[in-house]
Amino acid sequence: AQKITQTQPGMFVQEKEAVTLDCTYDTSDPSYGLFWYKQPSSGEMIFLIYQGSYDQQNATEGRYSLNFQKARKSANLVISASQLGDSAMYFCAMREADRGSTLGRLYFGRGTQLTVWP
Amino acid sequence: DSGVTQTPKHLITATGQRVTLRCSPRSGDLSVYWYQQSLDQGLQFLIHYYNGEERAKGNILERFSAQQFPDLHSELNLSSLELGDSALYFCASSAGGGQYSNQPQHFGDGTRLSIL
Repeated sequence: AQKITQTQPGMFVQEKEAVTLDCTYDTSDPSYGLFWYKQPSSGEMIFLIYQGSYDQQNATEGRYSLNFQKARKSANLVISASQLGDSAMYFCAMREADRGSTLGRLYFGRGTQLTVWP
Repeated sequence: DSGVTQTPKHLITATGQRVTLRCSPRSGDLSVYWYQQSLDQGLQFLIHYYNGEERAKGNILERFSAQQFPDLHSELNLSSLELGDSALYFCASSAGGGQYSNQPQHFGDGTRLSIL
């Protein structure tokens, strides 16, 4: 089974509007972390936001917030007031706290290509 | 700037050849991770080193090997290269050994490997 599922290959949003990028995950580990990364067309991977499995509140970082619904195993990224520079591929990733031989690795989804139009 | 340095940025070589990709982690980070990004496989974890020792292995081919040196920089060696090895190779670093799930990994800009 896929550890991370991103069901939206592409999303379009108008500048200054908010957009939600979906992410669902699969784990039996009670302790895990969820991460979102941005990959512009230039190729680098930029860390955006983190949510821990025991965190009581949704994470926020500037215009980024994470809508964490633990029972549904979803961790959707919300970008408010979209800017043209937000156009990029966005990846959801998970790390499980203790998985022996795979300790520390990130599992990535396939990504969502976000296009912001004027 | 993530603080993780990868060289070279681009590498073009032929099938059957061997290449070495280099990574310098962020100052103070002891863990180095290698990932491969390709169109068909997406982002795949290859291997993790912590303070010079191998900690975890992913779907890394036997033709690939890595090491982390005492100064904490890491090298990924790819040999007997095939067309399918063409990909973007990322190095990432984090402070701890991976056992704390809240530590983000910070990625370098990647090395784009093209096999002709």
